[in-house]
Amino acid sequence: NAGVTQTPKFQVLKTGQSMTLQCAQDMNHEYMSWYRQDPGMGLRLIHYSVGAGITDQGEVPNGYNVSRSTTEDFPLRLLSAAPSQTSVYFCASSRDRVDYGYTFGSGTRLTVV
Amino acid sequence: AQTVTQSQPEMSVQEAETVTLSCTYDTSESNYYLFWYKQPPSRQMILVIRQEAYKQQNATENRFSVNFQKAAKSFSLKISDSQLGDTAMYFCAFMKRGGSEKLVFGKGTKLTVNP
Repeated sequence: NAGVTQTPKFQVLKTGQSMTLQCAQDMNHEYMSWYRQDPGMGLRLIHYSVGAGITDQGEVPNGYNVSRSTTEDFPLRLLSAAPSQTSVYFCASSRDRVDYGYTFGSGTRLTVV
Repeated sequence: AQTVTQSQPEMSVQEAETVTLSCTYDTSESNYYLFWYKQPPSRQMILVIRQEAYKQQNATENRFSVNFQKAAKSFSLKISDSQLGDTAMYFCAFMKRGGSEKLVFGKGTKLTVNP
């Protein structure tokens, strides 16, 4: 099993550009989430999904869109990149959130210039 | 809203010694879970240990154990026989049971194990 796969691992964007961060899991997990990690801030929840076709906002959703058309994939879209979105982005998935915990991807380091 | 506070931005310990990382949280919920995650330089987030709030017994995983004080809303992590591979950022996290069940993280403690 590959677990949670995030692509790309690194990305540099210009202000105003759009892009999609990919996240895929092969564990048939229902629950998937996107977090961003900033220095001194810990991880903050952007969006999450409790199953295919169901998404909701987290703590810092502005500037990001998500969709969940399949159980396996949960892409994160940056609509118009801003320097404030420079961060490390983590995707995580869980079979049932608590008893099995969350499995995290290896992260995407995004720089917006 | 729940908050998680880790008051020690950085700590260091000698190899083979014991170190305790602090975490406090604020919540009005009675049914919740607490976690410690490790993030080594590889950036991977690794679950170290979890504690269910309704269980009085402190969780233990090999060299890692917690001291869960529910009334004081405290959840510290003790690492025994520290190893060089324990060098990492450690994050305390809270999850309310029911509802969105999202993870709320503290800002982290950077632990360095010295040879």
